Amino acid sequence: EAGVVQSPRYKIIEKKQPVAFWCNPISGHNTLYWYRQNLGQGPELLIRYENEEAVDDSQLPKDRFSAERLKGVDSTLKIQPAELGDSAVYLCASSLDLTVTQYFGPGTRLTVL
Amino acid sequence: AQTVTQSQPEMSVQEAETVTLSCTYDTSESDYYLFWYKQPPSRQMILVIRQEAYKQQNATENRFSVNFQKAAKSFSLKISDSQLGDAAMYFCAFLFSGNTPLVFGKGTRLSVIA
Repeated sequence: EAGVVQSPRYKIIEKKQPVAFWCNPISGHNTLYWYRQNLGQGPELLIRYENEEAVDDSQLPKDRFSAERLKGVDSTLKIQPAELGDSAVYLCASSLDLTVTQYFGPGTRLTVL
Repeated sequence: AQTVTQSQPEMSVQEAETVTLSCTYDTSESDYYLFWYKQPPSRQMILVIRQEAYKQQNATENRFSVNFQKAAKSFSLKISDSQLGDAAMYFCAFLFSGNTPLVFGKGTRLSVIA
């Protein structure tokens, strides 16, 4: 069984530029999560999807961040414009439902110069 | 709100020895899940072990076992026969059985000395 796939693995951009991250969850997993992990910290949730519906986006900075999950499968997280403080690892995870294990992708390391 | 505390920023262990990583949490709920995840330099978060709060028996997965003390809100991870490949960041995480996300601790960096 394929795991959670994320791309790109690394991204370096200058501030004020846009950037997008892509996630393909494990087949059949209806719940998808985007987490941000700052250096030396544990991941923190940005947004959670149940199928194609965003059910928890309270921690998503909506002035510059947006996300979508097309047809309840793949998801894209976008930042526009990026700021220096957005440098972090962005992790995608999926699960069958809320109360079982979340499986993580390899993450995207974003560096904003 | 739930919080997770890992009081050991760094730990080291000799190869083949045993090490215990500490985790405490705070919650007013009675039904929840606890996890230990391993994050090597590749950054992929890998599930090590999972514990359901309603289960009194401590979870075990090969060389990994937990000591779950519900009353004390403690969830430590024991790694036996440590191997070089065990070197990584280890995160303790809490999941309430409801519409809440995983809450992670700040992690413990484990080094394994040959």
